[in-house]
Amino acid sequence: KNQVEQSPQSLIILEGKNCTLQCNYTVSPFSNLRWYKQDTGRGPVSLTIMTFSENTKSNGRYTATLDADTKQSSLHITASQLSDSASYICVVSARKFSGGYNKLIFGAGTRLAVHP
Amino acid sequence: DTGVSQDPRHKITKRGQNVTFRCDPISEHNRLYWYRQTLGQGPEFLTYFQNEAQLEKSRLLSDRFSAERPKGSFSTLEIQRTEQGDSAMYLCASSLRGVGTSGGQALYNEQFFGPGTRLTVL
Repeated sequence: KNQVEQSPQSLIILEGKNCTLQCNYTVSPFSNLRWYKQDTGRGPVSLTIMTFSENTKSNGRYTATLDADTKQSSLHITASQLSDSASYICVVSARKFSGGYNKLIFGAGTRLAVHP
Repeated sequence: DTGVSQDPRHKITKRGQNVTFRCDPISEHNRLYWYRQTLGQGPEFLTYFQNEAQLEKSRLLSDRFSAERPKGSFSTLEIQRTEQGDSAMYLCASSLRGVGTSGGQALYNEQFFGPGTRLTVL
């Protein structure tokens, strides 16, 4: 069964600190892995997208890593800001050979709260 | 702002009433998706369109749900005889078919999400 599991479920950190969010997946055949940021009451916004051949990708203070062998990914946030408070969702795309769209399997997200 | 808009942003209705939501995708995107998200969970796929054709529907989409994309541009999602369990955020996303490039970067069929419609069924 295709699944994406994230940890921790929630996290509280102080402004300026770093943090790392984890994602484990069992999705086959794998196409790519994405991290989205979702502010409360808003739609998800893409942070990074990685294929199996990419093991790290950065977007400003966000750095995602991917280990396709162990099927694990992490999202590292450096020098956190109050505006980083949001849910971070790991999404794995399963390739569909029939020509249809690549199905997205969403994790439940990690709820991050950055406190001053 | 991703360029995908949804209307309304919030809807409160009584059980048994019908509701309709609208999604306007990014204009050049030929694929459009509907998702449902409940509190503390990731989005769940409901259905998707390529142009005006509805190509896939989730088992979550009961016969009370219907989606249309009549001209291959905007889409509507209607829920008939709403139930309290329908209370959720309904998200729309759009993408281009196939892997394209923009400025040398592969797009990976990236889906761009709208802000969602929050439905509350009383």
